[in-house]
Amino acid sequence: KAGVTQTPRYLIKTRGQQVTLSCSPISGHRSVSWYQQTPGQGLQFLFEYFSETQRNKGNFPGRFSGRQFSNSRSEMNVSTLELGDSALYLCASSLSGTATNEKLFFGSGTQLSVL
Amino acid sequence: AQSVTQLGSHVSVSEGALVLLRCNYSSSVPPYLFWYVQYPNQGLQLLLKYTSAATLVKGINGFEAEFKKSETSFHLTKPSAHMSDAAEYFCAVTQGNAGNMLTFGGGTRLMVKP
Repeated sequence: KAGVTQTPRYLIKTRGQQVTLSCSPISGHRSVSWYQQTPGQGLQFLFEYFSETQRNKGNFPGRFSGRQFSNSRSEMNVSTLELGDSALYLCASSLSGTATNEKLFFGSGTQLSVL
Repeated sequence: AQSVTQLGSHVSVSEGALVLLRCNYSSSVPPYLFWYVQYPNQGLQLLLKYTSAATLVKGINGFEAEFKKSETSFHLTKPSAHMSDAAEYFCAVTQGNAGNMLTFGGGTRLMVKP
């Protein structure tokens, strides 16, 4: 069974541009969550989608957005990139989105560098 | 509000020695606690989780953690370190109705000396 797949693996953008990251969850998983990992702020929750609906949202500006498609694949978009958006963006999937009852599987992430 | 504090951003042990990684949490409701491990250039992998059943939780790769409510702690231990345990370890907390929204600690990098 394939794991959580994130594309691209690496991305370089300049300030002011926008970027779209993609995540394909494990087959059958309906919940997709996104996390930002930086050396300074650590791991921070961005948002979670379940059955195409945003269920939870972290404390990030509106420049960060996401969506989920009917096949459970998810994308996140960051508009008007800032230097501070440089980070590893991790996607995680689970069957129904309850970390207390089931296992959360993480992808290897997309490393975004903003110049 | 919830938070997690991991004491020691770097811990170094000798191969075969006891591993002890510290985690203290703050939560206004009964917490659910997790330990994850991250190897270089990889995502996070669940080691173990506490969900209010047994206070001593056994995980993969010989790791275990004990939930101590009076100390608000959930320290991770392994009796004998192996070189392959070198990685970064994250403690996380969530509530029962928070879906997959986890609050992570700052992480502890474990180094294992031969």
